[in-house]
Amino acid sequence: AQSVSQHNHHVILSEAASLELGCNYSYGGTVNLFWYVQYPGQHLQLLLKYFSGDPLVKGIKGFEAEFIKSKFSFNLRKPSVQWSDTAEYFCAVNIENAGNMLTFGGGTRLMVKP
Amino acid sequence: GAGVSQSPRYKVAKRGQDVALRCDPISGHVSLFWYQQALGQGPEFLTYFQNEAQLDKSGLPSDRFFAERPEGSVSTLKIQRTQQEDSAVYLCASSPIGGFSNQPQHFGDGTRLSIL
Repeated sequence: AQSVSQHNHHVILSEAASLELGCNYSYGGTVNLFWYVQYPGQHLQLLLKYFSGDPLVKGIKGFEAEFIKSKFSFNLRKPSVQWSDTAEYFCAVNIENAGNMLTFGGGTRLMVKP
Repeated sequence: GAGVSQSPRYKVAKRGQDVALRCDPISGHVSLFWYQQALGQGPEFLTYFQNEAQLDKSGLPSDRFFAERPEGSVSTLKIQRTQQEDSAVYLCASSPIGGFSNQPQHFGDGTRLSIL
C-alpha cells in the first residue's frame, strides 16, 4: 500500500525565514500530488497540486512545491513566511487510475513567531 | 457558494451507543469521500461515493461502520456500538466530477466524535 511521510512534525520559524517542508511517498507509478493547509479553527484547504507538466508548481499565498520523481518527493517551500502562515500542512497523494481517495501524510504543524 | 457542511460539529457518546454523522456536499458535486482523522495524525480514507453508488469502502475499519448516500447528495456515516478507538474527527469531502482522480477535494469542518 502507498504511504506518505512528512519528516517534520513541528516547525517553528521567525517571520521572514524561509520554509521547506518535506514530503515523500512510496508508490512508484503515476501519482497526483497535493498540499493542503489547515489554519486554526478552519477546514482543510487546497494549497497547490501537481498532476503533470512542469514539476515546479505554484500555489496560493506565495507557496510552491517541486515534484522530484527520482526522489519520490514533493517538498513545499516558501521564501519568506508570515505570522499568518501558522497552520498545519498536509501532503497528500493519489494514485492515478487506482481509486479517487487521497493518502495523507501525518502533517507538519508550523508556528511562525512574529 | 456554500462549502461542504457537516453536522454535528461535536458529538459525545457513551461506549456502545450508535451515532450518525451527516455530510452535505457542495451542490452538484458527484464525488463524496469520508475520512477519519485521529489526534495528531493525517486523515485516513474510509469510503467513496460517486452519486449514490458506494464505489469504494475499503477503508471502513469494521462492519460497525456504515455509510450511505441514497439520493446522491447528502451522506450519512453511521457507527454502531461505538468504542473508544472510534474517537476521532470525521471529515467529509466532495469533488465536482466522478472518475477523475486528479481533482482536488473540498473538505468540510469535520465532526469531532468523543466516545466516553
